[in-house]
Amino acid sequence: GESVGLHLPTLSVQEGDNSIINCAYSNSASDYFIWYKQESGKGPQFIIDIRSNMDKRQGQRVTVLLNKTVKHLSLQIAATQPGDSAVYFCAETLGGGADGLTFGKGTHLIIQP
Amino acid sequence: GAGVSQSPSNKVTEKGKDVELRCDPISGHTALYWYRQSLGQGLEFLIYFQGNSAPDKSGLPSDRFSAERTGGSVSTLTIQRTQQEDSAVYLCASSPWTARNTEAFFGQGTRLTVV
Repeated sequence: GESVGLHLPTLSVQEGDNSIINCAYSNSASDYFIWYKQESGKGPQFIIDIRSNMDKRQGQRVTVLLNKTVKHLSLQIAATQPGDSAVYFCAETLGGGADGLTFGKGTHLIIQP
Repeated sequence: GAGVSQSPSNKVTEKGKDVELRCDPISGHTALYWYRQSLGQGLEFLIYFQGNSAPDKSGLPSDRFSAERTGGSVSTLTIQRTQQEDSAVYLCASSPWTARNTEAFFGQGTRLTVV
């Protein structure tokens, strides 16, 4: 969901359920997108990426969907596990990073036992 | 080391003092970013270096903040006359420039506490 300022939206899911984390990006010309996971006390880590010529990409338990029409990204995590608890950020860039990465506000995913 | 290295990992300083935070990017990475993250909040962009180009300083919150990158490698973020609201984790990231589809690699951050 959308956030105000820098306060993070929170998504709470039951262990074993699927999670869907959404991100609205800002630049319609962006051609490369990345999802990052940040666990407590650590720096963000790469999860999965997608180019603008694709609308879906799958990894291990994760799928990224890209809707360029509405400038929307989603990250789907299958069979959510306790270790998935983290803050998830999307990032966008144009031209392979030469203009820098722009990060979304982030979503805090909480796994309920 | 193989990853982005930041030092110190923790820093406690008194209000009004100056602090310097260091970032050693991955060797060969030409892009370097500084972000600030307050407790439980998202990433706030501060500054971006790309090769020898003039840095993008648009995210620096005040003139008390400055950053340098020497020789296209190590970067130092300096906060002068620190205030309590400067307390946060300061994250550095680097990425290669010429490759397409470049992800940014983050350090573990420096946790700054101003008392």
